[in-house]
Amino acid sequence: DIQLTQSPSSLSASVGDRVTITCRASQYISSYLNWYQQKPGKAPQLLVYTASSLQSGVPSRFSGSGFDTDFTLTINSLQPEDFATYYCQQSYSPPLTFGGGTKVEIQ
Amino acid sequence: HITLKESGPTLVKPTQTLTLTCTLSGLSVSTSGVGVAWIRQPPGKALEWLALVYWDDDKRYNPSLKTRLTITMDTSKNQVVLIVTNMDPVDTATYYCALRRGSSSDVGTSPFGDWGQGTPVSVSS
Repeated sequence: DIQLTQSPSSLSASVGDRVTITCRASQYISSYLNWYQQKPGKAPQLLVYTASSLQSGVPSRFSGSGFDTDFTLTINSLQPEDFATYYCQQSYSPPLTFGGGTKVEIQ
Repeated sequence: HITLKESGPTLVKPTQTLTLTCTLSGLSVSTSGVGVAWIRQPPGKALEWLALVYWDDDKRYNPSLKTRLTITMDTSKNQVVLIVTNMDPVDTATYYCALRRGSSSDVGTSPFGDWGQGTPVSVSS
């Protein structure tokens, strides 16, 4: 199975900050890495797919990058509605796996 | 507008079998390039993919749970059903169904673009 390691597991930030979350795969996954945002009590929502493509309707302050095993989700100018937990997920090969999550909290 | 809605029991006893149903609206489960997955999330923990069925009835399972899982598609009702046998308290989680879409050649690498609201399942005697 392909393991995904997210870091940090949690972070505190202020509105307006730039936030970077990383996801490292245990083996090559090309660009088949997706990012989701989950708010408490809600289902995850797709933010970024195939490493850097922004899902329709997602604000442009979100961006993704990476290839092979190392990936990054960046949130420019953090907004109040961005406080949530973020998960990466690989769609390169089954079993499909998720990272452990990064909780973004208000500082 | 595509929606997915999960349904099933909220409480099951240990050793019992859980049956969950995902009803898809706005898109047929038999449309080429469609895949419907089940994903679960224990309280306070990360997401875990369980199983997936494609429009052509091709099925994939998480090897760690494969012996306990069965996923089926009912095209007449536009539903996907997940059966989990021998339930245990560690299976307590919110269970989501989610949709993959793409061409018939690339759906296997598509993300989960649409999700149901989730259904909580507790396992307790």
